[in-house]
Order: sequence, then structure tokens, then C-alpha cells
Amino acid sequence: NAGVTQTPKFQVLKTGQSMTLQCAQDMNHNSMYWYRQDPGMGLRLIYYSASEGTTDKGEVPNGYNVSRLNKREFSLRLESAAPSQTSVYFCASSEFLRGDSRGYTFGSGTRLTVV
Amino acid sequence: AQKVTQAQTEISVVEKEDVTLDCVYETRDTTYYLFWYKQPPSGELVFLIRRNSFDEQNEISGRYSWNFQKSTSSFNFTITASQVVDSAVYFCALIAERGGADGLTFGKGTHLIIQP
Repeated sequence: NAGVTQTPKFQVLKTGQSMTLQCAQDMNHNSMYWYRQDPGMGLRLIYYSASEGTTDKGEVPNGYNVSRLNKREFSLRLESAAPSQTSVYFCASSEFLRGDSRGYTFGSGTRLTVV
Repeated sequence: AQKVTQAQTEISVVEKEDVTLDCVYETRDTTYYLFWYKQPPSGELVFLIRRNSFDEQNEISGRYSWNFQKSTSSFNFTITASQVVDSAVYFCALIAERGGADGLTFGKGTHLIIQP
């Protein structure tokens, strides 16, 4: 089925460790996004990529880096994980801004715990 | 800046009751889009509806209905004859036409509990 695939689904890191969250979409969307979800906070935008080769900061970018590897893939890297980065991370893709009537398509999420 | 407020943190009702989830938004843009997403206990985000700012018609889809009122900047969601399967966290979200760094702005969500 077409959609957004995130890996891994679960991860436990020690403070200071690094890791990369992977995201791939097969809907030929230009725009991709990384959000984090914390209890009582809703979803907040970390970074987004409006098109291949471009990335921009969202609301909460500190402590993260991203790479838009190609049109399909958009990765999120934590260089030195901190307990405050314990969260559920969602990747999303969309063509909404270019007239696609659908909303955003979200991956199934990555539950990250930093101890 | 955009803002979405879902004042109801948690709602608990008995099955078959009707329930309304409130959503109030703020934006300076004249063209914008409003969304509702459902997040069941399994954690995925499920798209429910999109509404354009220039279309104030209410919408009904089975037991679900949405009431969009620009005059009060509200986009409320009603479930009629609720069922246990409706138990989830529901998010209201907003995006302005210009998109960009604002992206899709979410409310903090309403946790809906339907008791049998």
C-alpha cells in the first residue's frame, strides 16, 4: 500500500548517543515533514522540506538535523540525544500546497526514549 | 502566527451519547484550511476531513458532522450516537495557503473516551 514508512518503530538511547530516524514515501510528494508529539502538546513541527534539495526549520528544531536524501526520503538525526527528546516522532508527506485535495499522510510513528 | 485551541483536554461519555469536540483557530491569512485527525490507541494519525476557509458549508459523513463558522473562528466536530470504537485522541489542525514554516499547526488534542 502507498504511504509513509518510518523506521525504527521503537528505540531506546542513552544520553549523548546519536541516531537517525528514517522516513520514505512512495506517493511522489514533494513536501515532507518531521513532527514530534509530546503528552498534552499536540504535534509540533521540527523540520520540513518543501522539495528535494531544500530544508527549513519548524517550531522546535534545536537538537536535530535533517537530510532530504532524494524525493522519497527525509531523515531526522539526533547528534547527541537528551532526555528532553523523548517523544513520539512522526514523518509526513503532502502535495497539499500544490493543489492535492488530501490532507497530509503520516507515518506510523517512532517512539523514542532517551535515558 | 497561527494557533489552534482545543480547550477540552478529555471528554468521557457513555456509548450512544452525542458528543461535540470544540476547535477554535487564529490566523491572519484570509485563505486557510482546517483539518481533523483521529489518533486511535494504536497511535497512527488518520485523516478525517479538510475544510477550506472559503467554503462554510457544514459537512456530514455518517455519524460524523462538522460545523465551520468563520464568524467565531470555530470548526467543531460532532459524533452522533457515539461508539466505543470512537475512543481516540482527536486533533484539529490549520494551514494557511502560503504554507511554509508554519506548516500544519495542530491543537493539543482532545482525548475522547466512550464508555460501554
